[in-house]
Amino acid sequence: AQRVTQPEKLLSVFKGAPVELKCNYSYSGSPELFWYVQYSRQRLQLLLRHISRESIKGFTADLNKGETSFHLKKPFAQEEDSAMYYCALSARAAGNKLTFGGGTRVLVKP
Amino acid sequence: EPEVTQTPSHQVTQMGQEVILRCVPISNHLYFYWYRQILGQKVEFLVSFYNNEISEKSEIFDDQFSVERPDGSNFTLKIRSTKLEDSAMYFCASRGIGGVRGSPLHFGNGTRLTVT
Repeated sequence: AQRVTQPEKLLSVFKGAPVELKCNYSYSGSPELFWYVQYSRQRLQLLLRHISRESIKGFTADLNKGETSFHLKKPFAQEEDSAMYYCALSARAAGNKLTFGGGTRVLVKP
Repeated sequence: EPEVTQTPSHQVTQMGQEVILRCVPISNHLYFYWYRQILGQKVEFLVSFYNNEISEKSEIFDDQFSVERPDGSNFTLKIRSTKLEDSAMYFCASRGIGGVRGSPLHFGNGTRLTVT
């Protein structure tokens, strides 16, 4: 069975400070990892997927298979980054359904 | 950009009543999903649907739940006899095929169900 763990429920940082959201997963096969973001009163939106290896809105995430982690990082947080962030895992063997972590609320203070 | 749409945005119902939550997936998508999020908890998978049948369901998705694609556009979730613990945000999602790994899920805005 797959599992996604986000150990921090809340991260509070000042504008311009770095922010790192931790995500660890467990899955015996070859998963695909995602970060979804949910801004206030909006839908869940895809932020990053590990196979894209791209930077979106200044965020990056690297899949570390040895540590089974997919931490999300941004070197300089902005106020508009305040949102809920969900790490999710998809496995083709599991019908490609997404398994979500518990989410981390990021609050960027001015 | 096309979006998944869900109606209503908020549904209040009495315990024991039937509710139908409606979703219009993105038009060329073939895989459909329902997720729910109880307040303060994680987003949980309920069911996936492909080729007019359920492809997978979680243990949450018991006999009180059913899904249907009654026409070419709508995808509905029915709860036959609601319980207080069914109160949650229900998200519909869809995806296309695209690529070796498949395309990512696109989510609707959700329907907040309140059972009183």
